[in-house]
Amino acid sequence: AQSVTQLGSHVSVSEGALVLLRCNYSSSVPPYLFWYVQYPNQGLQLLLKYTTGATLVKGINGFEAEFKKSETSFHLTKPSAHMSDAAEYFCAVSERDSSYKLIFGSGTRLLVRP
Amino acid sequence: GAGVSQSPSNKVTEKGKDVELRCDPISGHTALYWYRQSLGQGLEFLIYFQGNSAPDKSGLPSDRFSAERTGGSVSTLTIQRTQQEDSAVYLCASSPWGGQRRNTIYFGEGSWLTVV
Repeated sequence: AQSVTQLGSHVSVSEGALVLLRCNYSSSVPPYLFWYVQYPNQGLQLLLKYTTGATLVKGINGFEAEFKKSETSFHLTKPSAHMSDAAEYFCAVSERDSSYKLIFGSGTRLLVRP
Repeated sequence: GAGVSQSPSNKVTEKGKDVELRCDPISGHTALYWYRQSLGQGLEFLIYFQGNSAPDKSGLPSDRFSAERTGGSVSTLTIQRTQQEDSAVYLCASSPWGGQRRNTIYFGEGSWLTVV
């Protein structure tokens, strides 16, 4: 069965520092890949997704992610963290033939220090 | 509002009671999803409705859980004889159509269920 691994339940960075949140998936067939963000007491918001085409995907709020098939990874980055980026981030995948069904990682809480 | 609306936002119920959670999708969206977010299990798919097609119920954890979608719009998730392990946030989402290649799923803020 498809699975998603997010390395690090908590990541802490200083404001202005690089943000790197790691995500690896298990499928041998590249799935669709997503990053969602959840702010406190709010629902999930799509940051970006990869379905086909260019492997470097740009999303909202200055985030981007790169699909690397050889590493089965889809790590999320942002060059300079802002205090407002503090939230929980979820990586998710879906199979191409049942793409309505998201399989989520366990989430990474991003803390931004002033 | 323009987003996915869920009610109640918070519900505390006694073990053994039935609960109903409601979801109003974004107007015009044909696809509707329910997910559950709990401390022990993370985010899990529960059920998917797409238009008049038979729903995919493969994620429902037991036969105490059921969901319906009336008139292709509002959906109700019902949990019968609630157990403490049902305590979680139940997230509803909708999208213009099913599948995600050229589509975005929009999530509601969730219904927090606590079973005591």
